[in-house]
Amino acid sequence: AQSVAQPEDQVNVAEGNPLTVKCTYSVSGNPYLFWYVQYPNRGLQFLLKYITGDNLVKGSYGFEAEFNKSQTSFHLKKPSALVSDSALYFCAVRDKGYQKVTFGTGTKLQVIP
Amino acid sequence: SAVISQKPSRDICQRGTSLTIQCQVDSQVTMMFWYRQQPGQSLTLIATANQGSEATYESGFVIDKFPISRPNLTFSTLTVSNMSPEDSSIYLCSVASRANTGELFFGEGSRLTVL
Repeated sequence: AQSVAQPEDQVNVAEGNPLTVKCTYSVSGNPYLFWYVQYPNRGLQFLLKYITGDNLVKGSYGFEAEFNKSQTSFHLKKPSALVSDSALYFCAVRDKGYQKVTFGTGTKLQVIP
Repeated sequence: SAVISQKPSRDICQRGTSLTIQCQVDSQVTMMFWYRQQPGQSLTLIATANQGSEATYESGFVIDKFPISRPNLTFSTLTVSNMSPEDSSIYLCSVASRANTGELFFGEGSRLTVL
């Protein structure tokens, strides 16, 4: 079985400060890891993924995430938050040998002007 | 990436009625996925729709309640049958990356409210 945990329901950060949204995962094999963003009344947009290779992956809108195998984590980061980054963020995992994608419960990011 | 169009974008329905949601993709895809996002919750996979075969349903979802059609490689429908207020959700259509690396692309979703 595969699972994803996002321990924070909401993260508040001041505009211009760095942000981190946490994610840990559990899979039996090698993981494919993803971050998605959902703006109000919109569908999900793909942000970035880790498949293999460099543990630090970069994605859309200046976001990046670091894969840490020993801690089974894939935290989303951005050096300087923008008010427009305020949205709902979902971490997701897929076991490499398995087709189904499992989503976390989501973290609401609030960037305060 | 893929461009996915869903309709209706939102609807208000009466208890006991059924509603069909349409999903159109701008390219041919083998699998299409239907998700449900209940208010304040994460995404739950309802079923996987393959062209030319019956949809594969996840635990807790049945064909009588959520019949799916997949008449060709660019189109699918999901029907929510005999609706109750508990069916009030956002329903999302998605397709997988052609590179088979797992990322999904989503439509804008269909927000259903059942009174």
